[in-house]
Formats: sequence, C-alpha cells, structure tokens
Amino acid sequence: EVQLVESGGVVVQPGGSLRLSCAASGFTFRDFSMHWVRQRPGKGLEWVSLINRNGRTTYYADSVKGRFTISRDNSKNSLYLQLNSLTTEDSALYYCVKEKWGSSWTAYDSWGQGTLVFVSS
Amino acid sequence: QSALTQPASVSGSPGQSIAISCTGTSSDIGGYNYVSWYQQYPGKAPKLIIYDVSNRPSGVSDRFSGSKSGNTASLTISGLQTEDEADYYCTSYTTRTTLERVVFGGGTKLTVL
Repeated sequence: EVQLVESGGVVVQPGGSLRLSCAASGFTFRDFSMHWVRQRPGKGLEWVSLINRNGRTTYYADSVKGRFTISRDNSKNSLYLQLNSLTTEDSALYYCVKEKWGSSWTAYDSWGQGTLVFVSS
Repeated sequence: QSALTQPASVSGSPGQSIAISCTGTSSDIGGYNYVSWYQQYPGKAPKLIIYDVSNRPSGVSDRFSGSKSGNTASLTISGLQTEDEADYYCTSYTTRTTLERVVFGGGTKLTVL
C-alpha cells in the first residue's frame, strides 16, 4: 500500500523559513516524479512544485519561485520542500503527491494527509 | 485568480447528468491532452477520477467521464447520486510560463438536490 506521510508544518512568523518532509513507502520511490500541492483554508487546490525521478529537473509555481526549493533523497525515500521568505499567503495545507505510473504531470494517484503551515506574527 | 476557469457551483437531482467545464488556453488545455479531474470531500485529500482527458483510474465509477474541445475540458457525471456531492477540480499541463508546468482550476462545488 502506498503511503505518503508529510511532516514539518508549524506556525512561523512572516519572513521565516521551514522545511517540509514527506516519507514515502509502498512503491519504488525513485521511479516516480513527485509534486507538492497546497490548499489554503477554505480555498482551492494550488500546484506548488514538481521534481523528476532523479532530482535534476524541478519546476515551480510563479507564486513561490525563488522562495521555495523542492528536493528528494531517493536513498531515504523522501521528498522535501524548503520554504523561505514566508508570507501569510503561504499559510496552507501542503500535500505530498505521487504521479500515476505512465501518465503525465497532472495525474496524482496518491496523496498524503497534508501538513499545515501557518504564517502569522 | 486560478489559471483555469471553472463554475463556482453546479447542481442536479439524483439520476440526472451534469457537466462541469474547465476553460484554459492554447498553452494548457488546448495544447495538450494532459487534463485531470479530482473529487474532494470536506476535510479529505483529493481523489483522482479522470486523467489524460478521458481515462478513468481503476475503481472509479464509469458514471464519470471526461472530454475536451479546444481550450475547454469537461467532466460529466451521469446518474447523479447523493454521494457525488463534493468539490471537483480540473488541472492541466501548462507552458504559459518558464517555470510553471501544472495549473489547477478554482474548483466547482456540486450540490445534489
């Protein structure tokens, strides 16, 4: 069974930083591109970032580029998201998601339970 | 404002069919067959129900179907059931900007009357 378990969400002040982690199990992690998707309270889904299988190719939403960095450690079956220069607009539930095998970019067949980031002074 | 445009809400009666539209541009929906749809219940993670425009993952009811025409994708739910009441999101591959590759719609709340 595929499991994605996020951690690292906390309350942080504007301008602060934190790192989110996602522990993956139940599948061959190194064979899949991975994404982060967020959802602000009471709002819709927003794609944040993706990283390819070997970690050499990354993409970001315009709203986070230059501030967030996605990475992965295939030896630890783990995905990460470094969040810097946080604003209140970054307050959201952050989901770690796995691409469906053989599909393209937008098909996520497994989601974690999410980790909550709250930016407030 | 979301990159893809969905109606904020739709409604239907049990047994009816409804369609939810998702409008983009030639840089996303119109240019690629990489549209997916998600169903989300309150407090739950989203669930993939359609991928690559019209494909259903294993285990998803065949009452759900997807299509695309030009820059607009559509999700059709036939034989509405009360359990279909949820939020629905479309997403597409995009080349609108240098770094972005995926965009979501703003979501549509389906009410089954």
